[in-house]
Amino acid sequence: KQEVTQIPAALSVPEGENLVLNCSFTDSAIYNLQWFRQDPGKGLTSLLLIQSSQREQTSGRLNASLDKSSGRSTLYIAASQPGDSATYLCAVSNQGGKLIFGQGTELSVKP
Amino acid sequence: DVKVTQSSRYLVKRTGEKVFLECVQDMDHENMFWYRQDPGLGLRLIYFSYDVKMKEKGDIPEGYSVSREKKERFSLILESASTNQTSMYLCASSSYRGADTQYFGPGTRLTVL
Repeated sequence: KQEVTQIPAALSVPEGENLVLNCSFTDSAIYNLQWFRQDPGKGLTSLLLIQSSQREQTSGRLNASLDKSSGRSTLYIAASQPGDSATYLCAVSNQGGKLIFGQGTELSVKP
Repeated sequence: DVKVTQSSRYLVKRTGEKVFLECVQDMDHENMFWYRQDPGLGLRLIYFSYDVKMKEKGDIPEGYSVSREKKERFSLILESASTNQTSMYLCASSSYRGADTQYFGPGTRLTVL
C-alpha cells in the first residue's frame, strides 16, 4: 500500500530564506507527483505536477524535483515571503488517477 | 481557469439527518473526487467517478454514497449523518486518468451535532 510521508511537519523561517520541503513515498510505481498549497480553511491549489518520466518542474520561485527510484521529491522555495505561509501537501497518483496525500508541512514565514 | 464550486462553505446538521453535498465543475472534466480532511489523518478519498453514472469506492466509503447524473455535477450523500462525519469535505476534478492535475473546490466544513 502506497504511503506518503512529509518532513518536517512544521517549519518556521525568516523572510528571504531559501527552504526545502521533503516528500517520500513507498511505492515507486507512480504516474505523477503533485505539490499543493492549502491556506487555512480553504481548498487546495495545485503548484506543480511532475510526470513520472520527468525529473523536475519549475514555476516562478518554486522548483520541485522527483527521484522516482528512491521514492523522494523535494519542493524548493526561493527567497521566501510571508505570503508563502501555508500548508504544503505532496500527493502521488497511482493507477486510475487516485491521489495519495502526505500529511503536509505547515510553513510559517516571519517578516 | 478551471472552477470547482461546492454548494456550501459551512453546514450544521443533526445526527440522523440526510445530508447532500454538491460539487460542480465547469471544465468538462471526466473525473470527479470526494475527499474528507481531518487533523492528523490528512486527506482521504471517499468516492470517485470517471464518467456519468459511474462511481467507485475510495478508501473510506462507509456511511457515504454518491450520485453523478450529469458530467459536471458530483454529489456526496450522508444517508444518516453521525458525529464522526464532522469534517472538511473537499471535491476535486481532473480531465483524464492518472496524468492531470486535480482541481479542488473551496471545501465544505460540515458539523454534525
